[in-house]
Amino acid sequence: RKEVEQDPGPFNVPEGATVAFNCTYSNSASQSFFWYRQDCRKEPKLLMSVYSSGNEDGRFTAQLNRASQYISLLIRDSKLSDSATYLCVTLNQAGTALIFGKGTTLSVSS
Amino acid sequence: DGGITQSPKYLFRKEGQNVTLSCEQNLNHDAMYWYRQDPGQGLRLIYYSQIVNDFQKGDIAEGYSVSREKKESFPLTVTSAQKNPTAFYLCASSTPGHYYGYTFGSGTRLTVV
Repeated sequence: RKEVEQDPGPFNVPEGATVAFNCTYSNSASQSFFWYRQDCRKEPKLLMSVYSSGNEDGRFTAQLNRASQYISLLIRDSKLSDSATYLCVTLNQAGTALIFGKGTTLSVSS
Repeated sequence: DGGITQSPKYLFRKEGQNVTLSCEQNLNHDAMYWYRQDPGQGLRLIYYSQIVNDFQKGDIAEGYSVSREKKESFPLTVTSAQKNPTAFYLCASSTPGHYYGYTFGSGTRLTVV
């Protein structure tokens, strides 16, 4: 099992749509989970941390399911500016560094 | 403002040459990391350093070398032994424990010509 797996997409949605991304991870001992956003040819930027109880930041909701070892990101009322690649991130098996999924590409159209 | 500075933004290397990518941070972070990203791929860990004068190999360290003589600086050398060095190189830093995620520099795009 790969350390972090994501559906690469692309997800093509109209403005205003709700879209959800899932990600599975292999390190059951990890205590660190994040979603990063990466725009084309730019560095990744932290979108939000993911907490066990789930957390929300405006239109974005992140959830963690430890039993099934997956995390999710829900984007409501999609905007054109949400178009980017979303990276699922957790701790590697050795516990030494963050490991990044390959990303899920979102394209929001008008 | 605090942040991470990578230079140069674009770098061209001839076959057989070594090149050094610069990474400087003023966030007072103890830990620093180098990742490589190929088109359509995720980030792969090259080297990391959790403290000055100490560093560890990541998943793809072959053909690369680093140093950590100062807390603020973590330069990466791409040697001629790296068979396929063309990629986007990202430097990051963090506080200990990975609890707050990483802050990334804007990256260096290396092309072998």
